[in-house]
Amino acid sequence: QVQLVESGGGVVQPGRSLRLSCAASGFTFSNYPMHWVRQAPGKGLQWVSVISSDGSNKYYADSVKGRFTISRDNSKNTLYLQMNSLRVEDTAVYYCARDPELVPNYYYYMDVWGKGTTVTVSS
Amino acid sequence: QSVLTQPASVSGSPGQSITISCTGTSSDVGGYNYVSWYQQYPGKAPKLTIYDVSNRPSGVSNRFSGSKSGNTASLTISGLQAEDEADYYCSSYASNGDVLFGGGTKLTVL
Repeated sequence: QVQLVESGGGVVQPGRSLRLSCAASGFTFSNYPMHWVRQAPGKGLQWVSVISSDGSNKYYADSVKGRFTISRDNSKNTLYLQMNSLRVEDTAVYYCARDPELVPNYYYYMDVWGKGTTVTVSS
Repeated sequence: QSVLTQPASVSGSPGQSITISCTGTSSDVGGYNYVSWYQQYPGKAPKLTIYDVSNRPSGVSNRFSGSKSGNTASLTISGLQAEDEADYYCSSYASNGDVLFGGGTKLTVL
């Protein structure tokens, strides 16, 4: 079955780094753009970043631009999020999600979601 | 502060209909038919409920419908059921390539 499994979350001090992974299975990973979306405790969803199916196009929310880097390894069916210079306000559950790319080069909705991995930034 | 504006909460009795609004601008909701809605239960991942303003994914009840007028999109749930009690988020493509979410609406079934 189609599945996304996030990993790599944990507790980290402000200013440190963390890399999240998202392992995909049950579909042809290389055909789909992928998103990261986060949710702070008790708060709403916040889009973080998206990467095109071949990795050539990437977009970031202003709040993470310059600190986070999205990437993918299609040979390993895995999506990544490298998070540097972490801040307390980055504390959240991080979800990876698949984009069906109904319209070529427009990345705007998510039809499959993982269960999320929790990142806590605290001193 | 979320970029798309949703009511914090709505409520309705079983069998009734409710509508959740989602207001953006001409650079997002009003400029594209790329509005989606997600249902989320506490502690669970979001689930796609509506995409492209009014399309339902396979498996989603036809009690869920979406529409848009100008800069405001709407999600309507008819024949409310207890299982519909959840948080609902709208989302839209934005002209700069970003994806915007609303602040979320908590639906209570009385």
